[in-house]
Amino acid sequence: DTGVSQDPRHKITKRGQNVTFRCDPISEHNRLYWYRQTLGQGPEFLTYFQNEAQLEKSRLLSDRFSAERPKGSFSTLEIQRTEQGDSAMYLCASSLKPAQETQYFGPGTRLLVL
Amino acid sequence: DAKTTQPNSMESNEEEPVHLPCNHSTISGTDYIHWYRQLPSQGPEYVIHGLTSNVNNRMASLAIAEDRKSSTLILHRATLRDAAVYYCILRGYDYKLSFGAGTTVTVRA
Repeated sequence: DTGVSQDPRHKITKRGQNVTFRCDPISEHNRLYWYRQTLGQGPEFLTYFQNEAQLEKSRLLSDRFSAERPKGSFSTLEIQRTEQGDSAMYLCASSLKPAQETQYFGPGTRLLVL
Repeated sequence: DAKTTQPNSMESNEEEPVHLPCNHSTISGTDYIHWYRQLPSQGPEYVIHGLTSNVNNRMASLAIAEDRKSSTLILHRATLRDAAVYYCILRGYDYKLSFGAGTTVTVRA
């Protein structure tokens, strides 16, 4: 079990550029989550997939954000026309069982928008 | 989401126990109490969870008050590697985790 991996670990971009992050969950985990964490705060939920279906999106996820999980395995999170306020750590987590299951987090992708 | 209240920070000496309190006075009957921790520059990791009875695992113990309005995470012998932010989270049937600001634990050598 190799754990949840995320790529890249760090990303610096200029305001207005598009960025895409990738998350590879633990194999056979059917649930995948994206969270965002700003400095000094706990992570905030962004969106959630069960297999390839995106079942919920937070109000935090503006129209500039889109997430996919095309084959129910890895997931991508794209931010279009980045803004300085998008600077944060983007965390991915996966889990296997339904309610009360443990979520396993990746190391995160730290985004800095200049 | 039901809310939890935790102290902002706590300090401990190495190899001494650490008791981390969490208040959750609005907990519902179906809410489980989960604890996660986040080491510096890492994603959160699961520590322990419980419903009504006290729970033990290799990482920690969870003591739950009889009225379930509070709980305490116990690290029996703190090590420098236990320095982290500890989050107390209530989970009902919701799949997502609602993190607060957590408690920053500092361990002195």
